[in-house]
Amino acid sequence: DQQVKQNSPSLSVQEGRISILNCDYTNSMFDYFLWYKKYPAEGPTFLISISSIKDKNEDGRFTVFLNKSAKHLSLHIVPSQPGDSAVYFCAATWGNYQLIWGAGTKLIIKP
Amino acid sequence: ETGVTQSPTHLIKTRGQQVTLRCSSQSGHNTVSWYQQALGQGPQFIFQYYREEENGRGNFPPRFSGLQFPNYSSELNVNALELDDSALYLCASRPRGANVLTFGAGSRLTVL
Repeated sequence: DQQVKQNSPSLSVQEGRISILNCDYTNSMFDYFLWYKKYPAEGPTFLISISSIKDKNEDGRFTVFLNKSAKHLSLHIVPSQPGDSAVYFCAATWGNYQLIWGAGTKLIIKP
Repeated sequence: ETGVTQSPTHLIKTRGQQVTLRCSSQSGHNTVSWYQQALGQGPQFIFQYYREEENGRGNFPPRFSGLQFPNYSSELNVNALELDDSALYLCASRPRGANVLTFGAGSRLTVL
């Protein structure tokens, strides 16, 4: 039972354009959502998070949107840069406990 | 801050053997978690330790066990290795009450 789903295994975006990565979840108990970025041979690195009491959180080029009624969140990266090429994971948690992860989306930024 | 370091980075074992993976948590982080990441999947929660006691466990059998030490280091032990145990094992730490985990680079285990 996949509680967190990232339905796009990969995404290719032109440098300078907007990258939009999507994530769906099924468990309405989740109260905190995180995005991590992972480069090959490195551990996941925290990118941005959002609490369930908010619908948007912004940090520089990165914005996360949360639609609780649709159980959907998205990560927007604008403008996209070559260094953004990585695998992006969506994760969710409740009660400050374990993280439940999606399978990841590989983002490729084309020059 | 020294981050989270894991050892070894790669290792190969045969089915039935036992393995110990090690992790040194970030200073001040008293909660450590271990995750298993199979190829093409997201990390799966194995267990979590706080103050040297396990306080949360995912859907993993008892042959997966751990230890946490007072100096913020920890171990993951896996007995009776199976082929499906081949994966990247990630250690992560955080201060208690924080939601954001800091991850190590992982230990890549191959079981033949």
